[in-house]
Amino acid sequence: ETGVTQTPRHLVMGMTNKKSLKCEQHLGHNAMYWYKQSAKKPLELMFVYNFKEQTENNSVPSRFSPECPNSSHLFLHLHTLQPEDSALYLCASSQMGEKLFFGSGTQLSVL
Amino acid sequence: QKEVEQNSGPLSVPEGAIASLNCTYSDRGSQSFFWYRQYSGKSPELIMSIYSNGDKEDGRFTAQLNKASQYVSLLIRDSQPSDSATYLCAVNIAADSNYQLIWGAGTKLIIKP
Repeated sequence: ETGVTQTPRHLVMGMTNKKSLKCEQHLGHNAMYWYKQSAKKPLELMFVYNFKEQTENNSVPSRFSPECPNSSHLFLHLHTLQPEDSALYLCASSQMGEKLFFGSGTQLSVL
Repeated sequence: QKEVEQNSGPLSVPEGAIASLNCTYSDRGSQSFFWYRQYSGKSPELIMSIYSNGDKEDGRFTAQLNKASQYVSLLIRDSQPSDSATYLCAVNIAADSNYQLIWGAGTKLIIKP
């Protein structure tokens, strides 16, 4: 596989569920990101990992928990989400911050 | 609050015409500017980057940057129906941190055959 692979593509979960989003990049990049995209709103940066160290956490609620075991893999653990958390969640990678490559995204619905 | 503003559209352009997309930004210290294209149901993909004042051309696409007026634009010549998408403007707000992009909400472009 090439590029940035993100799973699952779609996820429906209840507010009491625990689920995880997975992202893998095959580009040899040093940085990985989680973004949230809601309808008609700008992309919201959630987390940044640079060489698997977290460098940004933009006041994201603790019900979102990132994990970056190595430079190629990134997870977003979800628990006790709220309906307003329903959105498209995008993983991206880059080499030294230039040119983001995005995964296909996870469309999340919280019931 | 550092912001990037775009007209949400939709912007409707006849096939073969020039589509002009605009973006303004608030941080005078911004260093790098990017245009991403996002098809419906897909993820964004980078189509142009620009770093200095003036024009940068790549095929049918031209990015224009005016730092004094704090705007960046994207021109698409000979517009095709396949250009119909939402175009996102992104600005790097810090020279020493390439990881913090500020995004506009995007302009939806419709090319009419």
